Amino acid sequence: RKEVEQDPGPFNVPEGATVAFNCTYSNSASQSFFWYRQDCRKEPKLLMSVYSSGNEDGRFTAQLNRASQYISLLIRDSKLSDSATYLCVVYPRGNQFYFGTGTSLTVIP
Amino acid sequence: NAGVTQTPKFQVLKTGQSMTLQCAQDMNHNSMYWYRQDPGMGLRLIYYSASEGTTDKGEVPNGYNVSRLNKREFSLRLESAAPSQTSVYFCASTKNRAGGSNEQFFGPGTRLTVL
Repeated sequence: RKEVEQDPGPFNVPEGATVAFNCTYSNSASQSFFWYRQDCRKEPKLLMSVYSSGNEDGRFTAQLNRASQYISLLIRDSKLSDSATYLCVVYPRGNQFYFGTGTSLTVIP
Repeated sequence: NAGVTQTPKFQVLKTGQSMTLQCAQDMNHNSMYWYRQDPGMGLRLIYYSASEGTTDKGEVPNGYNVSRLNKREFSLRLESAAPSQTSVYFCASTKNRAGGSNEQFFGPGTRLTVL
């Protein structure tokens, strides 16, 4: 079983739509969770960390459900500039990070 | 403050040739990582260095070697390149604070083609 699993999509949504991505992880002892954004042919960049209490940054909301071992990312009022691949990242322990394969989002005018 | 830098940005090799990918960070980070990214496979860890003087294998280490030259620099070497090593290679670093945020910062990547 993979450490981290994501729905690869693609998600094609109109501008202004709300879209949600989910990610599941296998190691119940995982410590830290992140969402990264990767634009085409660029390096991944941190979008937001995910905290147990949930956290919000503008139009973006991240949630963690430890009991079910999944994290989610909600994007409200989608913009064209949100088009990218979103990577779920889990830090189980030690020094290794585990990445999901990414979910592709295209926001359509 | 340049963050994480990688050289070269692009490289084409013939099967059997060797090369070293260079990575440096100026953020005084403890841990450094080498990943490869292939379509549909996501980022896979090749090797990492938790701190200066240590290196450990990741998920896909075969065919690669690494050197943590000092706290700033972490190089990846392909001794005898194979077409299966055609990929995009990313170097990353993290402060690795116990109990703290461990955001990874990535370099711009090296696009390697092995013919």
